[in-house]
Amino acid sequence: DAGVIQSPRHEVTEMGQEVTLRCKPISGHNSLFWYRQTMMRGLELLIYFNNNVPIDDSGMPEDRFSAKMPNASFSTLKIQPSEPRDSAVYFCASSLVPSGGRYEQYFGPGTRLTVT
Amino acid sequence: GQNIDQPTEMTATEGAIVQINCTYQTSGFNGLFWYQQHAGEAPTFLSYNVLDGLEEKGRFSSFLSRSKGYSYLLLKELQMKDSASYLCAVRGLNNAGNMLTFGGGTRLMVKP
Repeated sequence: DAGVIQSPRHEVTEMGQEVTLRCKPISGHNSLFWYRQTMMRGLELLIYFNNNVPIDDSGMPEDRFSAKMPNASFSTLKIQPSEPRDSAVYFCASSLVPSGGRYEQYFGPGTRLTVT
Repeated sequence: GQNIDQPTEMTATEGAIVQINCTYQTSGFNGLFWYQQHAGEAPTFLSYNVLDGLEEKGRFSSFLSRSKGYSYLLLKELQMKDSASYLCAVRGLNNAGNMLTFGGGTRLMVKP
């Protein structure tokens, strides 16, 4: 199994530009999570999809952030316009639902975003 | 809401035993996970507890006390490669299935 795939692995952009991060979950998983990790704030959940439907987006910092999951094998996280404070590592993770039992989340390698 | 506390940093010696504690206050509880994260890499699953007691897996063990809102991760026979951050995460009772809340992580440094 290829695991969770994210692209790009690194992104450097200028303030004000649009950034799109991509994720392919593990085949057969029906939950997908977007996280942001910084030294100051640790690992924060941004949004969670179940069966392609957004369930909880309370972690999305503001309207500049949006996420979509058009099908079971693809999701995007978009930042428009980007700001220097958005610099972080963005992880995508997937798992099986329902909850109960182990059903651990599997993380992708992450996208390191730098906004100058 | 969820509040998860763990020490920021710990240092231990190769070959020794180290215990990393995690306390949590949650509106509901449906399992506790420990993840390992090496610098520059993604978190990887280590252990899962949903009932009170100790779960052992090789050199790693994890303990849970639901009444105390407390867990620990025990690492035995420490190796240099165990130098990493260890993240405690709680799954709450909600309709969101498998959503986790992570603690800030404990950075463990293993010295020769």
